[in-house]
Amino acid sequence: AQSVTQPDIHITVSEGASLELRCNYSYGATPYLFWYVQSPGQGLQLLLKYFSGDTLVQGIKGFEAEFKRSQSSFNLRKPSVHWSDAAEYFCAVGGKAAGNKLTFGGGTRVLVKP
Amino acid sequence: NAGVMQNPRHLVRRRGQEARLRCSPMKGHSHVYWYRQLPEEGLKFMVYLQKENIIDESGMPKERFSAEFPKEGPSILRIQQVVRGDSAAYFCASSSAQGTYEQYFGPGTRLTVT
Repeated sequence: AQSVTQPDIHITVSEGASLELRCNYSYGATPYLFWYVQSPGQGLQLLLKYFSGDTLVQGIKGFEAEFKRSQSSFNLRKPSVHWSDAAEYFCAVGGKAAGNKLTFGGGTRVLVKP
Repeated sequence: NAGVMQNPRHLVRRRGQEARLRCSPMKGHSHVYWYRQLPEEGLKFMVYLQKENIIDESGMPKERFSAEFPKEGPSILRIQQVVRGDSAAYFCASSSAQGTYEQYFGPGTRLTVT
C-alpha cells in the first residue's frame, strides 16, 4: 500500500529566508506526486505536480520540487518566503496502481516570522 | 470557470441526525472524489465516483456512510445517525477523466456534531 511521510509537523521561517519541506513516499510503481497548500479554513490548492520527465518541477507562487527516485523523496522548496506563504502544505502520491485516489501525508504547518 | 463547489460550508448536527454534503464538480469534470480531514490530520480518501457509478469506496466506513453522483445534480455524501467522531472537514475533488490524476479541490464542508 502507498504511504506518504512528511517528517516535519511545524516549520518556522523568517520572511525572505528559504524554505524546504520534506516528503518521502512509498509506492510500488511509478508514482505521480503532488504538493497542495491549504490556508486556514480553506480548501486545497494544487502547487505543482510530477508525472514524468524532468525531475525538477516548477509550480505556482514561486515553488519548485525535486523528484529523487533513489531517495523516494519529493521535497518542496522556495528560495524566499513571503508572509502569505504561511499555511499548511500537503504532499500526496497517486498513480495507476492506486486507481485514481490520492494518499496524503500528515502535512507541514509553516509559520512565517516578520 | 467556476471551481469545485461544496455546500454547506459549515454544518452543525446533533448526534443521531443525518448530514448531507453536496459537491458540484468543475465544469467538464465527470469524476468526483470525497476525502475526510480529521482535526490535526491529513486527508484520507473515502470514495471515488463517476456519474451514476461508484468506482472505489474502499475508504468509506462500512456503516452509516453513503455517496452518490446522479446523472443530474451534485454528488451527495450522506452520513446517517451522526456521532461526535464524524466531526471533520469533508473535501470534494474532481478531475476530468480517469487516468488524469490531477484533482481540484473544493473549499470543504466542516461538520460539527454536538
